Amino acid sequence: QVQLVESGGGVVQPGRSLRLSCAASGFTFSNFAMHWVRQAPGKGLEWVAVISYDGRNKYYADSVKGRFTISRDDSENTLYLQMNSLRTDDTAVYYCAREKVRGVIIKEGNDYWGQGTLVTVST
Amino acid sequence: EIVLTQSPATLSLSPGERATLSCRASQSVSSYLAWYQQKPGQAPRLLIYDASNRATGIPARFSGSGSGTDFTLTISSLEPEDFAVYYCQQCINWPPLTFGGGTKVEIK
Repeated sequence: QVQLVESGGGVVQPGRSLRLSCAASGFTFSNFAMHWVRQAPGKGLEWVAVISYDGRNKYYADSVKGRFTISRDDSENTLYLQMNSLRTDDTAVYYCAREKVRGVIIKEGNDYWGQGTLVTVST
Repeated sequence: EIVLTQSPATLSLSPGERATLSCRASQSVSSYLAWYQQKPGQAPRLLIYDASNRATGIPARFSGSGSGTDFTLTISSLEPEDFAVYYCQQCINWPPLTFGGGTKVEIK
């Protein structure tokens, strides 16, 4: 069965860096685009970034562009989010999610989600 | 950026009642709209894609309709496990991929 397991969250000071990981299993990871979506405490969902199935194309929300980098290692079936220059408003649960349709970047939504990892940016 | 506006913010209903949730887009998204359910402490779950197609394993009491700028998620008869927050998402005009602000369906 498809599983996505995030890790790497924690408490970090403003301006510091953190790298999140998402370990995928149960499907051919290299066939699917992957997303990061976050949710601030008590708030709604905010899309963060997407990487195409082949890693060639990456897109970001304006709120994280230039600070966050999405990447993937298909040999390890792992998705990453490198977060630099963290701000207090980056505090959120970060989910990785699979694009539903193989071979495209975005089309029909996200059919599998991890359980999320909490990032808290605070002094 | 396409803005999705969901209404109402909160819907108070009893089990067995019909729930009608609305999602309005600031410009046409054709049929590229998805709906998600999220329960406290859990990840979102895909319910509907392409405006009206149920995702795998989703009960038939969930249905989606609409195209262009106006969409509806209907739960024909609320079960206790359906009380949750529901989000719409547009999948045509990106980046950014955008979500609506959510509708909470609570027990009356």
